[in-house]
Amino acid sequence: GENVEQHPSTLSVQEGDSAVIKCTYSDSASNYFPWYKQELGKRPQLIIDIRSNVGEKKDQRIAVTLNKTAKHFSLHITETQPEDSAVYFCAASLSSNTGKLIFGQGTTLQVKP
Amino acid sequence: SAVISQKPSRDICQRGTSLTIQCQVDSQVTMMFWYRQQPGQSLTLIATANQGSEATYESGFVIDKFPISRPNLTFSTLTVSNMSPEDSSIYLCSVGTSGSLEQYFGPGTRLTVT
Repeated sequence: GENVEQHPSTLSVQEGDSAVIKCTYSDSASNYFPWYKQELGKRPQLIIDIRSNVGEKKDQRIAVTLNKTAKHFSLHITETQPEDSAVYFCAASLSSNTGKLIFGQGTTLQVKP
Repeated sequence: SAVISQKPSRDICQRGTSLTIQCQVDSQVTMMFWYRQQPGQSLTLIATANQGSEATYESGFVIDKFPISRPNLTFSTLTVSNMSPEDSSIYLCSVGTSGSLEQYFGPGTRLTVT
C-alpha cells in the first residue's frame, strides 16, 4: 500500500536560518500533498499544500516543492522564528478518489532563539 | 473553514468499558474521517465515516472494536469498545468537502485507559 517516509525526525536550527523537511511517497498516482503543523497539545493545522500539477507553491515564509518523477516533496521554511517550533507532518493522498491521506512520521522542529 | 468540535476533550476510562466520541461540524461536509494518534506518533487513519452507510475501515481496524456512526452531514461518532490500556491515544476527526482536497482536524479527544 501507499507509504510516506519523512526525514529528518528531528531538526534544530538557529532563529533566522532555513529549515527543510523532505518526504517521499510510493504511489505514483498520488495527486495531493498537504503539510500540517502540530503544536504541543493542539490539533494538526494545515499550513500549505500542493497538487500534482504544480511544481512549487509559496506562502510568505513557507514553500513546498514537488518532484513527481522522483516521488518526493519538501517543505521549506525561511527566516525561522521560535514560534515555528512544532511537529510537522507531510501527507499524501491515496490514488483512489476517496480523500484519504497517509501521513509521514513527523519532524520535530526546534528553532533556537 | 468549518468549525469542528469534539466531545469529550479527554477522559479516563476503566479497561473493558466503552467510550463514544462525538464530532460536530458547523456546516455540511462531504467527508469525515477518524484518526488515532498514539503518544509521540504520527496520525493513523482508522476509518472513513460514510453518511447513511457503513464506515470504511483501514487495515488493522474493525467495526466491532471501533463502531462508527454518521447520521448526517455534520455529525459522526466513534466508539472505542472493550478498551485496554493499548487504546490510550488521541482520537481526532477530520473533515473535507467535495471539490476540495483539504482536510481540517477537530481538537481531538485524549483517552487514557487504566
